[in-house]
Amino acid sequence: DQQVKQNSPSLSVQEGRISILNCDYTNSMFDYFLWYKKYPAEGPTFLISISSIKDKNEDGRFTVFLNKSAKHLSLHIVPSQPGDSAVYFCAARIFGNEKLTFGTGTRLTIIP
Amino acid sequence: EPEVTQTPSHQVTQMGQEVILRCVPISNHLYFYWYRQILGQKVEFLVSFYNNEISEKSEIFDDQFSVERPDGSNFTLKIRSTKLEDSAMYFCASSDSTTLAAEAFFGQGTRLTVV
Repeated sequence: DQQVKQNSPSLSVQEGRISILNCDYTNSMFDYFLWYKKYPAEGPTFLISISSIKDKNEDGRFTVFLNKSAKHLSLHIVPSQPGDSAVYFCAARIFGNEKLTFGTGTRLTIIP
Repeated sequence: EPEVTQTPSHQVTQMGQEVILRCVPISNHLYFYWYRQILGQKVEFLVSFYNNEISEKSEIFDDQFSVERPDGSNFTLKIRSTKLEDSAMYFCASSDSTTLAAEAFFGQGTRLTVV
């Protein structure tokens, strides 16, 4: 049941450059999308979200883009910082439904 | 900043034993969840709880599992007769609404090892 997919298990980016993490989904009923960041031995921490009525949401260095026709979203981090090194999970939800469906995660490593 | 706290951080149990994982959600939150992550796999939804009852559960959440809010602050996950495949990181989460703008806050997790 791979309704949410993150096809890149890992990504390395130079400090100061842009990090782009991608996520694809198959369930057209999803209408709310979230990105979580996870450090080892910690729980996921909410980063940013986007509703399906938008195609972009920005919060500081983090921007999420949603392409509904392609069922694709991406998280841009710019500029990337060493503290951004973590596993990033994309998650999706159907409105009124409490369950989050997570992707498998992408491990981002920022190279100083 | 308010946070979700989970105890213990690591639990080792023998196969067939019962375990109780404990969580203290954020105090003004009304919706509570359990998720788990088997090593190397994705985070999976187990159950959601609202108004003192289960509101949704996944196919993973079978009769072996139960949840309870025994008092005004704790939220527990009980696993009866644990199996080796129950070994995972278990995350508790809470949110204040299921409206579109809400997000769940996660605890740091309990690593359950069944031997």
